[in-house]
This record gives sequence, C-alpha cells and structure tokens, in this order.
Amino acid sequence: NAGVMQNPRHLVRRRGQEARLRCSPMKGHSHVYWYRQLPEEGLKFMVYLQKENIIDESGMPKERFSAEFPKEGPSILRIQQVVRGDSAAYFCASSPREGGGHEQFFGPGTRLTVL
Amino acid sequence: SQQGEEDPQALSIQEGENATMNCSYKTSINNLQWYRQNSGRGLVHLILIRSNEREKHSGRLRVTLDTSKKSSSLLITASRAADTASYFCATDGGSNYKLTFGKGTLLTVNP
Repeated sequence: NAGVMQNPRHLVRRRGQEARLRCSPMKGHSHVYWYRQLPEEGLKFMVYLQKENIIDESGMPKERFSAEFPKEGPSILRIQQVVRGDSAAYFCASSPREGGGHEQFFGPGTRLTVL
Repeated sequence: SQQGEEDPQALSIQEGENATMNCSYKTSINNLQWYRQNSGRGLVHLILIRSNEREKHSGRLRVTLDTSKKSSSLLITASRAADTASYFCATDGGSNYKLTFGKGTLLTVNP
C-alpha cells in the first residue's frame, strides 16, 4: 500500500506565476489535509477536504490560494500569483476517516521556492 | 502562544542515552500525537495518545500525557544515531482533525 504521494517534490516559480501542488492520498483514504511549514517552524493547518467538498479552509489565505479534491484524481493546492512569502514546504496528509483519534499520514512534501 | 510548544528546542546526547522531550499546550484536546521529521523530509507518525490515556509505549518510545497540566513527554530509550531528527507534538484542539504543531525539538544523537 503506497503512502501519501505528493508531486512535484520541488517547485520553483517566479513571482506572479501559478503553483499547482498535487497530493494523492493513501488508498482507501477519503480525507485530505494540507499544511504549510515555513523554515524553522512547525506545520500550520491550511485546509481539510473530503471528496468534492471543502470542510474547513480556515487556515488558508483568502486571496490567491485554493484547494480541491475532485471525485477522480488527486487533491490540488493552487497558489496564484505567487510571492516570495509563499516559499515554504507544503505537506499533504490523509486519513481513512475524520482525523480525530486517527493518525494523519503525511506525504514527503512539496518544497516551493519563489524567486 | 501557540499550541504544542516543545521543550527543549534542541537536545544533543550520546548514543545509548535516553532522550526526553516535552510538549505543552493550552486548550482541551481529544488526542495528542508525536511525529518525527528528518531534515528536509516528510513527517513520520510515532504515536497517538488519547486524552483519557496517561501513558503509552511503542518499542523504545514512551509517551505520557497529563491533561491537568496540559503537557506531554516523549521518552526515547537507548537512543541511536538514526534517531537524529526533529520531533513535533501535534494537538487537535478538540477539532478532531485540525492538528496544531509546535516548532519541534531538534534531537542530535552522537555516535
């Protein structure tokens, strides 16, 4: 059973470009979470999705950021018009059910660098 | 300050010694989890302890939870060089899914 897959592992964008980060949850998992980690910091919750639904996006900036988890295919975190402050590691996690009482399995992360 | 503050920020020990890391949090929780992160890599789940549990073991790991003090500790016994990593505690703040992480403890085990 493959773990959580994220791609790309490294992404370089220039200011103003768009970044698309992909996450394939573990087989059988229908809950996906995105977190952001700034250098020397812990992870910060961004958004929680189930198939075709955004459950909680309270940690995601209102501007430029969006997330989806379609019926088919991976979850996508999209950052439009990237700025240098968006440079961070973005981690996706999945769980078989709502995370409470169940561990969240993390992917290897996508390291975004904005030039 | 934020949930899940780990202490100390950095810990350096010799192989074979025990390592103890602490975590404090502020709001009520359903469970608390410990994760390990090797430099530049993803997080590996170590152990989950529920709010009604006081102690849990997994291999060389021992986790305690004191909800009255809102604190947890992670003990790694007989440490190995391969244990070198950052260790994070994560709390759910009663949300059941929204994990809050501290800045972590950087553990260095010297061979």
